[in-house]
Amino acid sequence: GAVVSQHPSWVICKSGTSVKIECRSLDFQATTMFWYRQFPKQSLMLMATSNEGSKATYEQGVEKDKFLINHASLTLSTLTVTSAHPEDSSFYICSARPGNTYNSPLHFGNGTRLTVT
Amino acid sequence: RKEVEQDPGPFNVPEGATVAFNCTYSNSASQSFFWYRQDCRKEPKLLMSVYSSGNEDGRFTAQLNRASQYISLLIRDSKLSDSATYLCVVNMGAGDYKLSFGAGTTVTVRA
Repeated sequence: GAVVSQHPSWVICKSGTSVKIECRSLDFQATTMFWYRQFPKQSLMLMATSNEGSKATYEQGVEKDKFLINHASLTLSTLTVTSAHPEDSSFYICSARPGNTYNSPLHFGNGTRLTVT
Repeated sequence: RKEVEQDPGPFNVPEGATVAFNCTYSNSASQSFFWYRQDCRKEPKLLMSVYSSGNEDGRFTAQLNRASQYISLLIRDSKLSDSATYLCVVNMGAGDYKLSFGAGTTVTVRA
């Protein structure tokens, strides 16, 4: 089956520092990847759609200058949380579809649990 | 109104029981429907897609009711390993790549 790998699985950082999260599609190419955030006992919320070779599309309320997304190749997208603060502590998950159609399911990376102290 | 709504549960059932729950969606143009399973502090994993005519995968049966805009999941002969949160996932509109997630229904199967 399709595999999406995400790294790191967890990270603890100090307030004000930046954290980079990588998302890789291991056995397929993904022109589009999706970044989600999940707070405890809440649903996954789409933050942005990462597009290979072009700018990411951010959802309403998500600061593009704070959450920098780069999708430089067909198998790698990165999310950088800049100047992280404790309220950014959350579970960040990336996803991608092997089939580039709306009715093919998403496959998720294992997620990154970010704790900002 | 939320795009996707689920009864959060929890549904506490004994092993071997049948448990079923629904999920409603607000966009009548949605065309893709999925059930995902999420274990505590882990990423969601695809359980099954939901097709118009309903579909079954082993002990799991999914149904779609377009008229009333809901999908359902039924688990037969529950196992302890079925304990998880089940996420209802719907695409946001006709031909839309983006998916909207419900907050999940928690199922706990007890011995």
